Amino acid sequence: QITLKESGPTLVRPTQTLTLTCTFSDFSLSTSAVGVGWIRQPPGKALEWLGITYWDDSKRYSPSLKNRLTITRDTSKNQVVLTMTNMDPVDTATYYCAHTPLTFGDYFDYWGQGTLVTVSS
Amino acid sequence: EIVLTQSPGTLSLSPGERATLSCRASQSVSSNYLAWYQQKPGQAPRLIIYGASSRAAGIPDRFSGSGSGTDFTLIISRLDPEDFAVYYCQQYGGSTGTFGQGTKVEVK
Repeated sequence: QITLKESGPTLVRPTQTLTLTCTFSDFSLSTSAVGVGWIRQPPGKALEWLGITYWDDSKRYSPSLKNRLTITRDTSKNQVVLTMTNMDPVDTATYYCAHTPLTFGDYFDYWGQGTLVTVSS
Repeated sequence: EIVLTQSPGTLSLSPGERATLSCRASQSVSSNYLAWYQQKPGQAPRLIIYGASSRAAGIPDRFSGSGSGTDFTLIISRLDPEDFAVYYCQQYGGSTGTFGQGTKVEVK
């Protein structure tokens, strides 16, 4: 059974850099045609697609956030890391990582539980 | 970037009734790469439909998806009490993915 879990700080100060780690099991990013994406959801609001990394280390980012986002991976640890610079209170949200099977495109079939990140001084 | 507009914002129905949710794209969605997710309070989204009309594993057949191009529909044929939730569409055929703003299906 594929599982994913997000970890990282729950509170970040404005202008700081956020680093979140997604630790997954039961698939490999180095040998399978799969991907891991990041999605966020501000409290009471809709989902927002942030970016995705694929088994071949290619990446795609949201155009509105691409200057602030970096997604990297550590295949030996089965982890994907999201880095977002210059955090602002509007970035307060639950951040999810999710698996995409790349079958008929990169929809998300398994999701982590999410982690709430609050940006406040 | 493809913008998805979902309607209605809220759907008030009774258990056993039929729910029809709409998702309209600002431009044609390549290969009908359109998914639907269900989200309940405090939970992560759950995949319901992918490829516009394929049900995800374990999803009951009262859920069905249809559409192509710019217009897509999710139908819940007979609402079960566990189906009351927020539903999001997502396109993944563009250069980046995007989500709609959601439709809340609530108990009337």
